[in-house]
Amino acid sequence: EAGVAQSPRYKIIEKRQSVAFWCNPISGHATLYWYQQILGQGPKLLIQFQNNGVVDDSQLPKDRFSAERLKGVDSTLKIQPAKLEDSAVYLCASSYSGTAQETQYFGPGTRLLVL
Amino acid sequence: RKEVEQDPGPFNVPEGATVAFNCTYSNSASQSFFWYRQDCRKEPKLLMSVYSSGNEDGRFTAQLNRASQYISLLIRDSKLSDSATYLCVVRFRAGRRALTFGSGTRLQVQP
Repeated sequence: EAGVAQSPRYKIIEKRQSVAFWCNPISGHATLYWYQQILGQGPKLLIQFQNNGVVDDSQLPKDRFSAERLKGVDSTLKIQPAKLEDSAVYLCASSYSGTAQETQYFGPGTRLLVL
Repeated sequence: RKEVEQDPGPFNVPEGATVAFNCTYSNSASQSFFWYRQDCRKEPKLLMSVYSSGNEDGRFTAQLNRASQYISLLIRDSKLSDSATYLCVVRFRAGRRALTFGSGTRLQVQP
């Protein structure tokens, strides 16, 4: 079974530029998550989708971050404009239906460096 | 106060040693508990879920103390391949299905 796919794997940009990340979840998984992991910290949830609807975006900095999941499959996360503190690994995860004890499967992440 | 707190370590132990990690969480309404493992520059992967009665998976034993709001992970007979960061993870109730991670405890098993 194919895992969660993410691209690009690495991205270097200058502050104030824009960047977009792509995620393709495991086939059949209705729930998709975007996490931000800053060096030395655990992943922090940015946004959670159930199919193509947003379940939780309370920790998404909406002045600069946006995300969408058209057609309830692939998802993109965008940062515009980027700040130095956005340097982090952006992890996409998916799960079958989002129930409490369910396993989340993570993609390899996109490493973003903002200069 | 952080929602999930862990000692960052590192814990440096020799092969064959037994090592234990603890984690505390702040929300008493927490519903589900997990330990994830994260290798250097890799994504987190589920190590094991943690149940109220305690559970074991080979050399790994997890315990949950709801009254004191802490979770533990015990690793027996440590292997070099156990070297990684261990993330304590909690899922809260009230519709939040996503996971809240601690900052992780780094383990280095030495030959």
